[in-house]
Amino acid sequence: GAGVSQSPSNKVTEKGKDVELRCDPISGHTALYWYRQSLGQGLEFLIYFQGNSAPDKSGLPSDRFSAERTGGSVSTLTIQRTQQEDSAVYLCASSPRLEGDRRVYGYTFGSGTRLTVV
Amino acid sequence: DAKTTQPPSMDCAEGRAANLPCNHSTISGNEYVYWYRQIHSQGPQYIIHGLKNNETNEMASLIITEDRKSSTLILPHATLRDTAVYYCIVRASYSGAGSYQLTFGKGTKLSVIP
Repeated sequence: GAGVSQSPSNKVTEKGKDVELRCDPISGHTALYWYRQSLGQGLEFLIYFQGNSAPDKSGLPSDRFSAERTGGSVSTLTIQRTQQEDSAVYLCASSPRLEGDRRVYGYTFGSGTRLTVV
Repeated sequence: DAKTTQPPSMDCAEGRAANLPCNHSTISGNEYVYWYRQIHSQGPQYIIHGLKNNETNEMASLIITEDRKSSTLILPHATLRDTAVYYCIVRASYSGAGSYQLTFGKGTKLSVIP
């Protein structure tokens, strides 16, 4: 597609419920990232996928958070037993590839999913 | 910890040049300077990046000092649509685990005033 697509754009869920957030990266982009942004805060790195390599999950805040990327394209971020502190905008970004030479690429971000846990 | 320091906010008159400074005194030789902006309720948008030479594209110019310890993003003719939070980020081109992350600080909130 023309850009990174995220769905849903807004999600309101009850505390304790599980939610799934979806990201469709730009076609051909092998690198995919998830960030979250709490109200009035900067972006917090969550997880990174690159091709068929094992994902870097070092930013996931707890074991309630997990993500997968099927077929090297679409990614799903799952939050189990949601808590109020999980309320944030969850942003997905993709880039053509991990820079292995002098060429570097910027990320393209989606518009995010605004998650509200009530 | 953030590797960059930016003023928390700036104002700019519409039509004038907006000059956004960034200090990155601990930048290392293989680290690039990236600029992103985030307009309210949208995801961050890539603007420009550079290593040591000044760069220009259709959006902005990036001026990097000779010692690379600071840089300035220039929006030559600011419009109301340029009102956003601007993030200056340093990152290595490639050095293994963790280097691919963009670490966003608080940025500079630029307000373009009519």
